[in-house]
Amino acid sequence: QQQVKQSPQSLIVQKGGISIINCAYENTAFDYFPWYQQFPGKGPALLIAIRPDVSEKKEGRFTISFNKSAKQFSLHIMDSQPGDSATYFCAASVNTGFQKLVFGTGTRLLVSP
Amino acid sequence: KAGVTQTPRYLIKTRGQQVTLSCSPISGHRSVSWYQQTPGQGLQFLFEYFSETQRNKGNFPGRFSGRQFSNSRSEMNVSTLELGDSALYLCASSLGGSGYTFGSGTRLTVV
Repeated sequence: QQQVKQSPQSLIVQKGGISIINCAYENTAFDYFPWYQQFPGKGPALLIAIRPDVSEKKEGRFTISFNKSAKQFSLHIMDSQPGDSATYFCAASVNTGFQKLVFGTGTRLLVSP
Repeated sequence: KAGVTQTPRYLIKTRGQQVTLSCSPISGHRSVSWYQQTPGQGLQFLFEYFSETQRNKGNFPGRFSGRQFSNSRSEMNVSTLELGDSALYLCASSLGGSGYTFGSGTRLTVV
């Protein structure tokens, strides 16, 4: 019940295309859903996060779509660029005053020039 | 503003040895969490400290321990190292327990 399932494992998108990564969870107590971007040799960096009281959040080219009834959320990267090539992790936590993040397994994105 | 600093960046240890990893959080951040990242298990929560108190612990054996000092700096220790402990160990800090910023990690190799 603590798992967050992420798909696809890898993704190749042409420059300018839309990258879509999906995550699903079981624990209905989760109330914070962040996405992290990780480059080789670096730690994960927070991209964007959403709470279940909204269905969509957009920051620049990055959008989170959230479906509470389906217990699913997704990351859309519009106008994907080669610099977006990285590994993306979805995560979830129960915000009990601190975060114990449960991470998805990661999606390796390659944006071809 | 300096980020989260982890030292050392790379470490090679022999089975059976122990190791101590260090983390300096962002100035003013009082919450520090540790995660283990491996290709097989992904990112897994180890423990979280706030004001020198461990508030939560992940599902790891007792060989994994940590502490936090009064200046919020944190250390984690792994005793009796096993080959399977080879991983990237990540430290993350936040002001009060949300919106964590990760460091670049310590790459531990056990031989």
